[in-house]
Amino acid sequence: GAVVSQHPSRVICKSGTSVKIECRSLDFQATTMFWYRQFPKKSLMLMATSNEGSKATYEQGVEKDKFLINHASLTLSTLTVTSAHPEDSSFYICSARDSRLAGGGGNEQFFGPGTRLTVL
Amino acid sequence: AQSVTQLDSQVPVFEEAPVELRCNYSSSVSVYLFWYVQYPNQGLQLLLKYLSGSTLVKGINGFEAEFNKSQTSFHLRKPSVHISDTAEYFCAVTVNAGNNRKLIWGLGTSLAVNP
Repeated sequence: GAVVSQHPSRVICKSGTSVKIECRSLDFQATTMFWYRQFPKKSLMLMATSNEGSKATYEQGVEKDKFLINHASLTLSTLTVTSAHPEDSSFYICSARDSRLAGGGGNEQFFGPGTRLTVL
Repeated sequence: AQSVTQLDSQVPVFEEAPVELRCNYSSSVSVYLFWYVQYPNQGLQLLLKYLSGSTLVKGINGFEAEFNKSQTSFHLRKPSVHISDTAEYFCAVTVNAGNNRKLIWGLGTSLAVNP
């Protein structure tokens, strides 16, 4: 159980275009989803936290108008990189959690396999 | 503020040798602790977690970790490693505070198992 999928797994786009990445919880309801960015040989950098039906909370330094996050249902969140540029090339990972679970279970995040974005 | 320190950025080890990857955290409140593994060009996989109960936690692939509250540590161990254990290992902590409970990440430890 607790499977999270991401689509696409890999995308190459031209500079100036927008790219949408989907994150789905397949067998549980995700009240909260997180979007991370990971640079080569680096740890994960949290970009934003989204609760279903609410606006996302962005971390300091993350441009909310560039990285649009939508969490319209309990199983789907999307990250749209608008007007992508080469510096946006990275590995984007989402995770999901059911915050309603009691105790420690509500704290555990389940991760998607990641999306490799390359902007030419 | 909470923080996670992985004391070794790289750990080279020979196959079948034991290994310990160290993780210390700073928090004044109760925490939940996790170790994740990331194989090259892949996403994160949960190795093990401490939520409550026994402080010795056993995970997948023969890994285990011990939660030591007095030393604020959660070191990861394996008695005999394989070549296939070569990967990046991340320690993470979350505190039980608020709805947007975030994971605080260590910088990772690169485990290289050599034949």
